[in-house]
Amino acid sequence: EIVLTQSPGTLSLSPGDGATLSCRASQGVGGRYLAWYQQKLGQAPRLLIYGASNRATGIPDRFGGSGSGTDFTLTISRLEPEDSAVYYCQQYDTSPFAFGQGTKLEIK
Amino acid sequence: EVQLVQSGAEVKKPGESLKISCKGSGDSFSSYWIAWVRQMPGKGLEWMGNIYAGDSDTRYSASFQGQVSISVDKSISTAYLHWSSLKASDTAIYYCATNSGAMDVWGKGTTVTISS
Repeated sequence: EIVLTQSPGTLSLSPGDGATLSCRASQGVGGRYLAWYQQKLGQAPRLLIYGASNRATGIPDRFGGSGSGTDFTLTISRLEPEDSAVYYCQQYDTSPFAFGQGTKLEIK
Repeated sequence: EVQLVQSGAEVKKPGESLKISCKGSGDSFSSYWIAWVRQMPGKGLEWMGNIYAGDSDTRYSASFQGQVSISVDKSISTAYLHWSSLKASDTAIYYCATNSGAMDVWGKGTTVTISS
């Protein structure tokens, strides 16, 4: 079973800053089958990135994904107040398709 | 693209049974894997398992194997999550989502509250 560990647990940044969120897998994720989701308070999660680096429909280009193997990164540039949320990574290479524990992004 | 509509909130007692639903509309439901995800109060997302709507092939996370059952009725484009005997620790929001790759379509969630 692949375990995903996200860091940091919480990130507190200002509008206009850039954010870098990390997701490390306990073993290699084949095919770069790694996704990132955004969950705002009281809402269902929303897919941001699939295949490690592909933006989902309607996601602005301020959001970018990179990485392969065991190390993956979500970058968000020019932060806006609406980016306040919890961000989760998930691997969908090998069942069970577990999520990381999440990174909470606060916009000061 | 398929849309997913989940059944309404439930309040149950420990020991009772429950089945919640996730109805698909739009594109061919039978060609999708549908997953269930648990979110306990104030906690993160947990992938419970998924089912292929075309033939009911089902996979479970070890944490949920034997605790719940996932089923589908493709004739009415609906997936289900079923408990035979609820516990207080089943209190959570349960989401369904398409899972043929990354989970790109989500239902709004069903809140399940278990209280004596």
